[in-house]
Amino acid sequence: EAQVTQNPRYLITVTGKKLTVTCSQNMNHEYMSWYRQDPGLGLRQIYYSMNVEATDKGDVPEGYKVSRKEKRNFPLILESPSPNQTSLYFCASSLSGVGVSEKLFFGSGTQLSVL
Amino acid sequence: AQSVTQPDIHITVSEGASLELRCNYSYGATPYLFWYVQSPGQGLQLLLKYFSGDTLVQGIKGFEAEFKRSQSSFNLRKPSVHWSDAAEYFCAVGAGGGSNYKLTFGKGTLLTVNP
Repeated sequence: EAQVTQNPRYLITVTGKKLTVTCSQNMNHEYMSWYRQDPGLGLRQIYYSMNVEATDKGDVPEGYKVSRKEKRNFPLILESPSPNQTSLYFCASSLSGVGVSEKLFFGSGTQLSVL
Repeated sequence: AQSVTQPDIHITVSEGASLELRCNYSYGATPYLFWYVQSPGQGLQLLLKYFSGDTLVQGIKGFEAEFKRSQSSFNLRKPSVHWSDAAEYFCAVGAGGGSNYKLTFGKGTLLTVNP
């Protein structure tokens, strides 16, 4: 089954403790992206990747890191989480984001709480 | 930079009534336009998209949307709403090309359906 898999689904952590949210897709998609969703703010893009070893900042990249060493994986890293990063996070992928209006496939989300 | 405005934060309709969700975008050229739906606890699912050509596009679940360049709008419609349509709806605009491709979401409209 074609899907985007995020783990974990729920995560509670404390300020400053490094964490990684994993994202994997099995559709051989080139384009992958991370969004955070906050009430009243909709989805805001954190980082995106056009292909392996090609990443770029979205609208709200501060406090986050990403890597794209393999086509299928696009982990989101919070080196020193802070309470303002408490949010619902979504990973998404599409066949190609190169100026083409491809359909985005979304993961089920990761609810992160930073205490 | 592109932007998306969804003027209605929350809409309530009765089952069987017609529905129109508003979306206005800002972008210098013809954008790619999307409507996504998010059911509670789920990721986003694409309802429909507009690239070019016919300005009235049909989507899944009986939804349609009309692109009006003169009004910079891409409103979503459904002639008869079902209880299962209760969800949050996001309009999005994709613009740029190559490594500059960017997808921007509106803040969403929450739809409540009364029996």
